[in-house]
Formats: sequence, structure tokens, C-alpha cells
Amino acid sequence: KAGVTQTPRYLIKTRGQQVTLSCSPISGHRSVSWYQQTPGQGLQFLFEYFSETQRNKGNFPGRFSGRQFSNSRSEMNVSTLELGDSALYLCASRGVDRGHTEAFFGQGTRLTVV
Amino acid sequence: GENVEQHPSTLSVQEGDSAVIKCTYSDSASNYFPWYKQELGKRPQLIIDIRSNVGEKKDQRIAVTLNKTAKHFSLHITETQPEDSAVYFCAASMSGITGGGNKLTFGTGTQLKVEL
Repeated sequence: KAGVTQTPRYLIKTRGQQVTLSCSPISGHRSVSWYQQTPGQGLQFLFEYFSETQRNKGNFPGRFSGRQFSNSRSEMNVSTLELGDSALYLCASRGVDRGHTEAFFGQGTRLTVV
Repeated sequence: GENVEQHPSTLSVQEGDSAVIKCTYSDSASNYFPWYKQELGKRPQLIIDIRSNVGEKKDQRIAVTLNKTAKHFSLHITETQPEDSAVYFCAASMSGITGGGNKLTFGTGTQLKVEL
């Protein structure tokens, strides 16, 4: 069973540009969450999608957005990039809705804004 | 919202010794507490988790304890080995009436170094 796949692995963008990151969850998983990881702030929740609907949202500006497709693949978009957006962006997929099960993380996309 | 504090930020132990990492959470509605291990350049991986209806859980050399009254939970690693060296994150989450959400609130991480 393939794990969570994130593409691309690395990105370098210029301030003011926008970027789209992709996450393919484990087959059969319908919940996808996104996290930003930085040395100073640790792992911070961005948003969660389940069956194409955003179910939870963290405290990030509106420049951060996401969506989920009918095959559960998810994308997140960051517009008008700032230097502070440089981070490792991780997505996690989860299998069931009720109760709690393990969240499986992808390898992440390392975004550098210059 | 939920806030999770984690201590210590760095921990150095001798091989074979025990390591303990502690976390506190703020929201009494949180009912699921996973621990993740992240090695350098790799993804976080779940090593153990505990639900609020359980006070302790053990898996070989790893154990987690939960004190709901005090709102704190701890990770215990016994007989530490060099391969235990990594960053460990605690997290808290809550499940609503209509089903589980997947929002994990993480602690700031503990860099564990096991020295030979």
C-alpha cells in the first residue's frame, strides 16, 4: 500500500509569487490535513479536508487555501508569498471519520521563498 | 483553542538510561493524544497514542501516561538506544459528536540525543 505522497519535494519561489502543493493520501483515506513546520513555530495546523469539504481551519491568513478532489487528493495554495512562508509543508491522511486513528504523514514539500 | 506545552526542548541521556518527555494541554475536551517521532529529514511517524479513557499504555520500551485531571501526559522510553535519537512531538486532538476531526495541536518538540 503506497504511503502519502507529496509533490513537489522542493520548491524555490520569489516573494509575491503563488505556489500550489499537492498531496495524494493513502488509498481509501478520505481525510487530508495540512501542517506547516518551521524551526521557530513547530508544527502548525493549516486546514483539514474530508470528502471535498473543509472541516477545520487553523489560524493562517487567507493567502493560504486548499481544496480536495473527489479522489481525495488535496492541493494547497499560497498566494502572494512572503519570506516567512518558507517552511516544510506536511500533509497527513487518515482513514476513518469516527473516533481516532493514526494520521500518516507525507515526506513534505520544502518551500523556500527568496 | 487548544494549547500544548512540551518539556524539555532538548534531552540528552546515556544509552540504556530512561527518557521522559512531558506535555500539558489546555482544553479539557481533548481526548486523543498521539506521540510522533521525527528523524532528521524524515516525516513524523506515530510511535504511540492514548485515548482519554485510558490512563496508561505501553508498547515494548515505550509507554505513555495520561492524567486527565491535571491535563498532562508523558512519554517514557526505557533502555534507550542510539536509534531513539530524534525529535519527539506530543499532540492533542478532540473528537466531536459527529465524528473525528483530524486537527492535531502539537507541542514544540523535544530533541532527544542518546549518547554511547
